[in-house]
This record gives sequence, structure tokens and C-alpha cells, in this order.
Amino acid sequence: EAGVTQFPSHSVIEKGQTVTLRCDPISGHDNLYWYRRVMGKEIKFLLHFVKESKQDESGMPNNRFLAERTGGTYSTLKVQPAELEDSGVYFCASSQEEAGANVLTFGAGSRLTVL
Amino acid sequence: GQNIDQPTEMTATEGAIVQINCTYQTSGFNGLFWYQQHAGEAPTFLSYNVLDGLEEKGRFSSFLSRSKGYSYLLLKELQMKDSASYLCAVREDKLIFGAGTRLAVHP
Repeated sequence: EAGVTQFPSHSVIEKGQTVTLRCDPISGHDNLYWYRRVMGKEIKFLLHFVKESKQDESGMPNNRFLAERTGGTYSTLKVQPAELEDSGVYFCASSQEEAGANVLTFGAGSRLTVL
Repeated sequence: GQNIDQPTEMTATEGAIVQINCTYQTSGFNGLFWYQQHAGEAPTFLSYNVLDGLEEKGRFSSFLSRSKGYSYLLLKELQMKDSASYLCAVREDKLIFGAGTRLAVHP
């Protein structure tokens, strides 16, 4: 079974530019999550999709961040325009069920560096 | 508020036992998770506790006391490959992570 795949693994952009991160969850997983780790800090929740619907987007920092999951399969996270403080590692995770243990399987992350 | 505390760094010797502690204060509780993360890789699931007590899985065990807001991860017969970050996470309605404990295993 293929795991959670994220692309790109590393992106370096200048302040003011746009970046789009992509996540392919495990096939059949309805739940998809985005998390972010800023250097030296803990991994923080950004948002949660159930299929194509946003279940919880309380962690999205501001309106420069836009997440989509059209068709309920892969998801994209766009940052426009990027600021220096957006640098960090963006993790995507997926899970099959929301109840019970609901173990999240994580991707390796997309490292974003904003110069 | 939400607060999950774990030591920043620990060192241990190959073959030894190490215990990584985690204390938490959250407004809700629907289980506690431990993840392992090697540098540049995905966090991988190690254990899940929702009831008080010890869960054992091979060389790794995890303990939970809900009344004390406390958990630990016990790693036995340490191997060099166990050098990694260990993340404690509590589920309220979403998963909330501690900053992680970097474990270095020396020969």
C-alpha cells in the first residue's frame, strides 16, 4: 500500500511569491489533515478535510492560505503571497475513520523556505 | 489552554532502557499517541493509549495516567536506529503535539 505522498519535498521561494503544496493521501482515506512545523516549535494543526469538505479549518493562520480537496482525493495547500514566517515543514496526514484510535499516517512533509 | 510538555533532548546507551515522559493539560481528551520521527522523514505511529495503564508492543511500551495528565514511552534494548525524535500527541477533537524529544543513542 502506498503511503501519504507530498510534493514538492522542498521549495525555496521569495517573499511575495506563490507556492502550492500537494498531498496524495492513502487511497480510500476520507480524512485528510494538514499540519505545519515551524523551526523549533511543535507540529501544529492547520485543517481537516472529510472527503471534499472542510471539517475544521481553525488552525489556518490567515487568508493567505487556501486549501482545497476537489473530488475528495488529493489536496493542495496554496500560500499566496508567501511571507518569511511561513517557512517551515508542512505535513499532510490521512486516516480512514474519524472515531476510535483514528491513527493518522503522515507524509514526509514539504519543506518551505521563504527568502 | 493546551499544553504538552516533554524533555527536549535525551541521550542513552545502546542496549539500555530509556523513559520519555510527557505531561499534558488539554481541555478535552480522546486518547494519547506517541510517534517516532527520523530526521527528514514522516512521523510514524508507535502507540495509542486511551485508558489508564500500560500498553506493550515489542521493545516499546507506553503508559497513561489520565488523572495525572501524564504518559511515558519506554524503550527497551535500545538500538542505534532508535535515535530519532519522539512526539507525544493528545487528541481533543484534533491531534495536538508536543515539541518532541530528540533521543540520541550512543554505542
